[in-house]
Amino acid sequence: NAGVTQTPKFQVLKTGQSMTLQCAQDMNHEYMSWYRQDPGMGLRLIHYSVGAGITDQGEVPNGYNVSRSTTEDFPLRLLSAAPSQTSVYFCASTVGNEQFFGPGTRLTVL
Amino acid sequence: QQQVKQSPQSLIVQKGGISIINCAYENTAFDYFPWYQQFPGKGPALLIAIRPDVSEKKEGRFTISFNKSAKQFSLHIMDSQPGDSATYFCAAHLGGSYIPTFGRGTSLIVHP
Repeated sequence: NAGVTQTPKFQVLKTGQSMTLQCAQDMNHEYMSWYRQDPGMGLRLIHYSVGAGITDQGEVPNGYNVSRSTTEDFPLRLLSAAPSQTSVYFCASTVGNEQFFGPGTRLTVL
Repeated sequence: QQQVKQSPQSLIVQKGGISIINCAYENTAFDYFPWYQQFPGKGPALLIAIRPDVSEKKEGRFTISFNKSAKQFSLHIMDSQPGDSATYFCAAHLGGSYIPTFGRGTSLIVHP
């Protein structure tokens, strides 16, 4: 099993550009989440999904969209990138009370 | 408002020493308390977890101490090694929720 995979690993955007961060898991987990990690702020929840076709907002959802068309995939879309969205993004899938995190995407918005 | 407060923000320990990271919570509905370990450039991974019906859980050199009345729990790393250098996050789950509330993390450096 590959576990949770994320692409790309690194990305640089200009302000106003849009992009999609990809996340996939092969563990057949129903629950998936997106977090951003910033120095001193810990892991903040952006969006989450309890299954295909169902998504909900987390703590910091503004500027981000998600969709869940399949159990495996949970992409995160930045609609119009802003410097405040410079961060490391982690996708996670959950079974029981354990979260399995992907390796992260480091995003810089200039 | 932080629901889970973690301290210290950073910690430096000599090899062989004991590393102690503390967390405090307010919501008594939390019923599962995991710790995650994150190495540089990697995603966090579950290290050890405890439920409030026990006061201590030990796995190798890692121990969680839980004080229900004080609403505090802590991670103790015995005989700390340079390979333990990482960021540690405490977390808490509400009963029935699969989404944890994370502390802000502690950066641990163990000097050789």
